[in-house]
Amino acid sequence: DTEVTQTPKHLVMGMTNKKSLKCEQHMGHRAMYWYKQKAKKPPELMFVYSYEKLSINESVPSRFSPECPNSSLLNLHLHALQPEDSALYLCASSLAQGAYEQYFGPGTRLTVT
Amino acid sequence: QKEVEQNSGPLSVPEGAIASLNCTYSDRVSQSFFWYRQYSGKSPELIMSIYSNGDKEDGRFTAQLNKASQYVSLLIRDSQPSDSATYLCAVTLMYSGGGADGLTFGKGTHLIIQP
Repeated sequence: DTEVTQTPKHLVMGMTNKKSLKCEQHMGHRAMYWYKQKAKKPPELMFVYSYEKLSINESVPSRFSPECPNSSLLNLHLHALQPEDSALYLCASSLAQGAYEQYFGPGTRLTVT
Repeated sequence: QKEVEQNSGPLSVPEGAIASLNCTYSDRVSQSFFWYRQYSGKSPELIMSIYSNGDKEDGRFTAQLNKASQYVSLLIRDSQPSDSATYLCAVTLMYSGGGADGLTFGKGTHLIIQP
């Protein structure tokens, strides 16, 4: 089973709101990732967690705040977003950080108004 | 700076024919190579992974890697209309200390299989 789940599927938020995206996997994977995908563009890496510790932050603005409460869960906290942050947010996981296959969840479609 | 290049297409292939998708990458130390399929409005789905030079076959899909030429390709045999999608090439860079970055994607090739 290579399932990664994400909630919510869709989210509309105002620029002053605070919201969170959730990602979960039960495959025993120890690396989890957040990617951002704009329309007609490829996914772009935002954050990497390895063994529940932040390993890579691709210079993402502080209005995006990741959290990894345990090895199965990954959250992305959103605050004071801009309309240009509207995108598909994808979570992925892999056995470990490195040359391993990454499996993506269905994504959260975020619209910032 | 690691770059992954793909022809954006669209690439139009008749049903039953072989679709050939190509990808080049700029970083010589890139170690892992992946092909993802993405339908419109959906998330990327892993199709193939390849780590060493040569061919790797899985059903109707064959991935080919040539590290000397910095080239990776995906062949789809007996193409079906359901294969119509965007195909994303992705690479991972390994660090000398054992760590690795995330996936760097090409812009994707839009494949259309004509019935």
